Amino acid sequence: SQQGEEDPQALSIQEGENATMNCSYKTSINNLQWYRQNSGRGLVHLILIRSNEREKHSGRLRVTLDTSKKSSSLLITASRAADTASYFCATVFLNQGGKLIFGQGTELSVKP
Amino acid sequence: DVKVTQSSRYLVKRTGEKVFLECVQDMDHENMFWYRQDPGLGLRLIYFSYDVKMKEKGDIPEGYSVSREKKERFSLILESASTNQTSMYLCASSSIGSTTYNEQFFGPGTRLTVL
Repeated sequence: SQQGEEDPQALSIQEGENATMNCSYKTSINNLQWYRQNSGRGLVHLILIRSNEREKHSGRLRVTLDTSKKSSSLLITASRAADTASYFCATVFLNQGGKLIFGQGTELSVKP
Repeated sequence: DVKVTQSSRYLVKRTGEKVFLECVQDMDHENMFWYRQDPGLGLRLIYFSYDVKMKEKGDIPEGYSVSREKKERFSLILESASTNQTSMYLCASSSIGSTTYNEQFFGPGTRLTVL
């Protein structure tokens, strides 16, 4: 399967701590995207990193991409209770017409 | 802001019924997608469309069809609903990127229960 795999499946931390989620994939990508989903809602795009980029920041989010290891990580710094959600990585593979392939997600719980 | 709307948040249908799920986007996006989301399986692509009247099968098209008569509207049709089609259905849209593939904007989802 080309589907990305995420690790851990669930993560529980205290407010103020950092949260790190990892995503691995199997074949060459065009870009990798991270999405967030609040319970029972649609997904919201967080950040996109292209295959020729190694790191990207957006507010409290930091994404890294290691194409040699076919992996990416999402770091949320100084987490807040409002960050509680599921986080998905999605890969755009070469020669796949722009389709997103989603991982199964990491369920993050931030306790106040 | 891009807005993607879905016709229903919750829907309950009976086995064998024909079910229509409607999705409308207001940003003139070329691409539209239908996914289903199930616990432990993540999001799986059912169908997508790059243009009006164009459609392509995703990873799990069996039991579904789609219609795109207007650019802003993408409909998912369950010809004869079955209990294994009970799921959360998510619609998304995106524009054609110049050199990369752009982010997708999602609707709020329709939770369909087939009894």
